[in-house]
Amino acid sequence: GAVVSQHPSWVICKSGTSVKIECRSLDFQATTMFWYRQFPKQSLMLMATSNEGSKATYEQGVEKDKFLINHASLTLSTLTVTSAHPEDSSFYICSARSAHQPQHFGDGTRLSIL
Amino acid sequence: DQQVKQNSPSLSVQEGRISILNCDYTNSMFDYFLWYKKYPAEGPTFLISISSIKDKNEDGRFTVFLNKSAKHLSLHIVPSQPGDSAVYFCAASSGRRQTSYDKVIFGPGTSLSVIP
Repeated sequence: GAVVSQHPSWVICKSGTSVKIECRSLDFQATTMFWYRQFPKQSLMLMATSNEGSKATYEQGVEKDKFLINHASLTLSTLTVTSAHPEDSSFYICSARSAHQPQHFGDGTRLSIL
Repeated sequence: DQQVKQNSPSLSVQEGRISILNCDYTNSMFDYFLWYKKYPAEGPTFLISISSIKDKNEDGRFTVFLNKSAKHLSLHIVPSQPGDSAVYFCAASSGRRQTSYDKVIFGPGTSLSVIP
């Protein structure tokens, strides 16, 4: 069964609104969570690494004020896309891992900005 | 600069035959490699991994081979089944210390189609 739950799976919203995506590890404590973005027919691009209780580390080119990440507990991380625009439309995937374990991925969130 | 490369964007194989997916990497610091399988509109699912101290790891129908000198790894699926049709991502990390902070770098993926 799924060990990482991501919600919502699909969201459509108007340009200018903010969208929050949740990522939960269901049966383990995730000391680290990762957020990825995938464009059609392309690979997973790491956006940021989130460690519980500390600020997220963003990859080069990713706007931290645009993509707010909160890792409030060992089982929950959230990604908020602020003031979303059509170019933010994409497939966002989170993953979670504990030490000595490979990453387990959520099923992703399809974000469509009108 | 792409650190993990999968030069074949797609591969078609007859059911029952062997599927071989290839992956090359450029960063010599990588010492832990993973393969993930992904269906459309779903997140990737971990398949198999290999540490750089090994040259082969086997799990059922899946075997991963690592050639460190060539910076090359491959995933063999035998026998291939229609349900194996998916996108396969090769990934690498410098995870020798196996800390929680290790990033994983993904390749662009290879779409495998197993024909019944």
